[in-house]
Amino acid sequence: DVKVTQSSRYLVKRTGEKVFLECVQDMDHENMFWYRQDPGLGLRLIYFSYDVKMKEKGDIPEGYSVSREKKERFSLILESASTNQTSMYLCASTGFTEAFFGQGTRLTVV
Amino acid sequence: GENVEQHPSTLSVQEGDSAVIKCTYSDSASNYFPWYKQELGKRPQLIIDIRSNVGEKKDQRIAVTLNKTAKHFSLHITETQPEDSAVYFCAASKRSNQFYFGTGTSLTVIP
Repeated sequence: DVKVTQSSRYLVKRTGEKVFLECVQDMDHENMFWYRQDPGLGLRLIYFSYDVKMKEKGDIPEGYSVSREKKERFSLILESASTNQTSMYLCASTGFTEAFFGQGTRLTVV
Repeated sequence: GENVEQHPSTLSVQEGDSAVIKCTYSDSASNYFPWYKQELGKRPQLIIDIRSNVGEKKDQRIAVTLNKTAKHFSLHITETQPEDSAVYFCAASKRSNQFYFGTGTSLTVIP
């Protein structure tokens, strides 16, 4: 069974904290993505990675960074969390076609 | 980059009726068009997809049509059931490391 696993379902962090969201896939996929999901705005791409240590900015990279030290793990980092980063965060990975999603992390910044 | 527009944003239908969701894309090089279903509190999952060399694809009650000339594709759900209630996303892709999603359609099937 295909699996993309995000480390937390729910997180509550304080403004200014450094936040790490972790994603692990077990399909040996090259490509991994981080999306942000907000009502009425759909899935917006933050960053993606097509190989270890390689990354590309998506549509809304401001305030975020990523790390991919191993093929199976892709981390999203909020350098200094702000209330406007309160959202649902979805990780995904792809092989040749289909994108497989993690279960999502609901982040609340207070 | 690619721009995918999806309509409507919300859709309510009576159980047993049909539902249609439409998407347009801008990049003529896009060649893969998947549809994802996201039930409440769950992850998006692929329900059907179509490639640019095919005009229509069916899988039981769902079908997708593609018009490459007009750059639009549609999801059709027939004989809707309450369990079809979910958010549906279309996407366009030309490479496996580039997926562009629409903004989603919240479908409610009224029993």
